[in-house]
Amino acid sequence: NAGVTQTPKFQVLKTGQSMTLQCAQDMNHEYMSWYRQDPGMGLRLIHYSVGAGITDQGEVPNGYNVSRSTTEDFPLRLLSAAPSQTSVYFCASSMGRAINGYTFGSGTRLTVV
Amino acid sequence: GNSVTQMEGPVTLSEEAFLTINCTYTATGYPSLFWYVQYPGEGLQLLLKATKADDKGSNKGFEATYRKETTSFHLEKGSVQVSDSAVYFCALSVSNDYKLSFGAGTTVTVRA
Repeated sequence: NAGVTQTPKFQVLKTGQSMTLQCAQDMNHEYMSWYRQDPGMGLRLIHYSVGAGITDQGEVPNGYNVSRSTTEDFPLRLLSAAPSQTSVYFCASSMGRAINGYTFGSGTRLTVV
Repeated sequence: GNSVTQMEGPVTLSEEAFLTINCTYTATGYPSLFWYVQYPGEGLQLLLKATKADDKGSNKGFEATYRKETTSFHLEKGSVQVSDSAVYFCALSVSNDYKLSFGAGTTVTVRA
């Protein structure tokens, strides 16, 4: 059971480039979400999805797009990378409500130069 | 809105010392409270949780009690080990929601 798989683990982008961070889970979890982790700020929610075909914005959605075409996959797209998007990105999933606990991926460290 | 405030780190301890990490919250409704742990180079893992006032969550020697009167959920461990070195996050969810709100995290380093 792989859990939540994120790729790539590391990425360096130039300002203005676009890319997609991949997230896949094999636990049939209905809920998936993307967080960014910055020093002193904890984890901030970017986008989330409560099921295939359903997505919504979190606290810091600007500059990011998501889609959920299948239960398993929840990619995060950076449209035009900016240095302010340098961060560690985590994908998390859960079976239903947060009370059931989240399963996190191991993260993607993104640097925008 | 909903928010979580954790004590600032970093915290450095010697092995077998007592650890306390303070966490307080503000929330609408009746929150569920969580502690997550992030070991170096890894994603977060659920450490323990409590869903109503006076509940005590416990796991791996860690404990936290949901105190509604002081809106707190402090994490404690009586005797830490080097392997407890990690970043600890307090979090809450409200009204049976999907979303979690996290605190800023507290870095704990345990020296042998």
